[in-house]
Amino acid sequence: AQSVAQPEDQVNVAEGNPLTVKCTYSVSGNPYLFWYVQYPNRGLQFLLKYITGDNLVKGSYGFEAEFNKSQTSFHLKKPSALVSDSALYFCAVRDRGATNKLIFGTGTLLAVQP
Amino acid sequence: DAGVIQSPRHEVTEMGQEVTLRCKPISGHDYLFWYRQTMMRGLELLIYFNNNVPIDDSGMPEDRFSAKMPNASFSTLKIQPSEPRDSAVYFCASTRWVGSTDTQYFGPGTRLTVL
Repeated sequence: AQSVAQPEDQVNVAEGNPLTVKCTYSVSGNPYLFWYVQYPNRGLQFLLKYITGDNLVKGSYGFEAEFNKSQTSFHLKKPSALVSDSALYFCAVRDRGATNKLIFGTGTLLAVQP
Repeated sequence: DAGVIQSPRHEVTEMGQEVTLRCKPISGHDYLFWYRQTMMRGLELLIYFNNNVPIDDSGMPEDRFSAKMPNASFSTLKIQPSEPRDSAVYFCASTRWVGSTDTQYFGPGTRLTVL
């Protein structure tokens, strides 16, 4: 069965420093991977996705993610964190057994300190 | 486009009462999803529809929960009778199947409190 794991409940980073939010996946076949962000009292917003092609995917708000097949990882990154990036981040994988069904990780709370 | 619309945004009710949550997906989207989010269980998929037909309701916790999609622009999630453990934020999301693109668009959520 497909699954994603987000090993960190919370990531703390100082403003201006690079940030990484980790995600590992377990799928059969080629994965379709996603990152979503949830700001307080809001619904989830799509950030970026990997379907095929270049392993480095660029998304909204300066975020990018690197697909690493050998390590089965899809870590979210940003070169310089902003206080406004503080939010809950979810990694997800498409369930290949059910069209359009996403399996979400448990979420990682990113806290950017000024 | 107004995005996915959910109503009400907040609902406070007493145990045993019926609760109905509403969702209007983005026009042209053919998939609709209902999720529940709690601190303890995270984000859970309850049920999803394709072209108004329920495809997978395996996430619906109990018979007290039911969902309908009478047409392409409206869906409801009903809890009857409600219990305090149903307190959560309920999200609706929609997407349009275009090959392999699966981006789901989420509504703002309904925060349900059952006293």
